[in-house]
Amino acid sequence: DAGVIQSPRHEVTEMGQEVTLRCKPISGHDYLFWYRQTMMRGLELLIYFNNNVPIDDSGMPEDRFSAKMPNASFSTLKIQPSEPRDSAVYFCASSLRGRYNSPLHFGNGTRLTVT
Amino acid sequence: EDQVTQSPEALRLQEGESSSLNCSYTVSGLRGLFWYRQDPGKGPEFLFTLYSAGEEKEKERLKATLTKKESFLHITAPKPEDSATYLCAVRDTGGFKTIFGAGTRLFVKA
Repeated sequence: DAGVIQSPRHEVTEMGQEVTLRCKPISGHDYLFWYRQTMMRGLELLIYFNNNVPIDDSGMPEDRFSAKMPNASFSTLKIQPSEPRDSAVYFCASSLRGRYNSPLHFGNGTRLTVT
Repeated sequence: EDQVTQSPEALRLQEGESSSLNCSYTVSGLRGLFWYRQDPGKGPEFLFTLYSAGEEKEKERLKATLTKKESFLHITAPKPEDSATYLCAVRDTGGFKTIFGAGTRLFVKA
């Protein structure tokens, strides 16, 4: 099992530019989550999907953030325009609904730096 | 609103010095409490799921316990390779949303 795959691993961009983060969940998993991690706020849930449908996006900070899941094997998180305060590590995780207490399986994250 | 509070923020131990990490939680109804380990530059790695008060899970030098208001991660005779950030998370009965605490950074010195 390849695990959750995120790309790129590092992204450095200038303020105002569009940023797209990518995630490939574990095959067969039907839940996908996007988290953001900072020293100040820890791991924050941004949005999660079930069977490619967004279920809860209450954690998305503002309209500059958008997430899509066009199929079961791919999701994107887009920030447009980016701002320095968006600098963080963004994690994608997937899980299987089979049991309600199924754990999340995380990728290794994308470290985003906005200058 | 679900809340998770972990203490201490950081813990420094000598190799072989046993201790415990605390996770206090508030949820409307607990579906599951999770412990994860996170190494620098990596994503969180799953350790345990606990479902109900009184439950215990063990893995090598780690043992997790659960009450109605908190969970403990006991570390027995830790080794330097146990150094990491340990995260606690809860999922309530309302769905699949999983909320994390801020974590405890553990340092074990040889």
